[in-house]
Amino acid sequence: GESVGLHLPTLSVQEGDNSIINCAYSNSASDYFIWYKQESGKGPQFIIDIRSNMDKRQGQRVTVLLNKTVKHLSLQIAATQPGDSAVYFCAVNSKGNKLVFGAGTILRVKS
Amino acid sequence: EPEVTQTPSHQVTQMGQEVILRCVPISNHLYFYWYRQILGQKVEFLVSFYNNEISEKSEIFDDQFSVERPDGSNFTLKIRSTKLEDSAMYFCASSEWFSNQPQHFGDGTRLSIL
Repeated sequence: GESVGLHLPTLSVQEGDNSIINCAYSNSASDYFIWYKQESGKGPQFIIDIRSNMDKRQGQRVTVLLNKTVKHLSLQIAATQPGDSAVYFCAVNSKGNKLVFGAGTILRVKS
Repeated sequence: EPEVTQTPSHQVTQMGQEVILRCVPISNHLYFYWYRQILGQKVEFLVSFYNNEISEKSEIFDDQFSVERPDGSNFTLKIRSTKLEDSAMYFCASSEWFSNQPQHFGDGTRLSIL
């Protein structure tokens, strides 16, 4: 079956620095990828998505990069702020439009 | 901004009892989902639902689980005879369309089985 994993369980960055959160996936047939942010006591909040026909997509302060050759996905957050502190999950689509989630990376922003 | 709402936020139930978790998906969304997250673990897919039918379900979603859209706005998850291992956060999600569309999540119901 599919698996989605993260390289770093915890990332600490200084306020104002850029953050990069990585994710690997196993199913080469996956064609849709999403990043979610989860704050304590809340549900996963949609950040940005990317389809397999793209290798880069930008949003407000966030960029997602997709490397299908090595089955790797990354989320870049520019000028990280204290409000960015949360757990970040990548998720990939699978049969029946179910999402397969990664384990999550804790992002801590130091002021 | 429209959002998915879930009630209750916390449900405490005795083992063996039935529990119903409720969700109001985003109004123009057609696809609905339940996921769960055991403390400290990944978010896991349970079931997807469209047009009053289950589209896909995971191996977790056994005969003790059922879903229903009893009216035009609510989407429910029922667990008939709860077990200790059912303790988790249960998230409802909805999407506008089926394929390659973001799923929007509610803030979850924390289910505690005693």
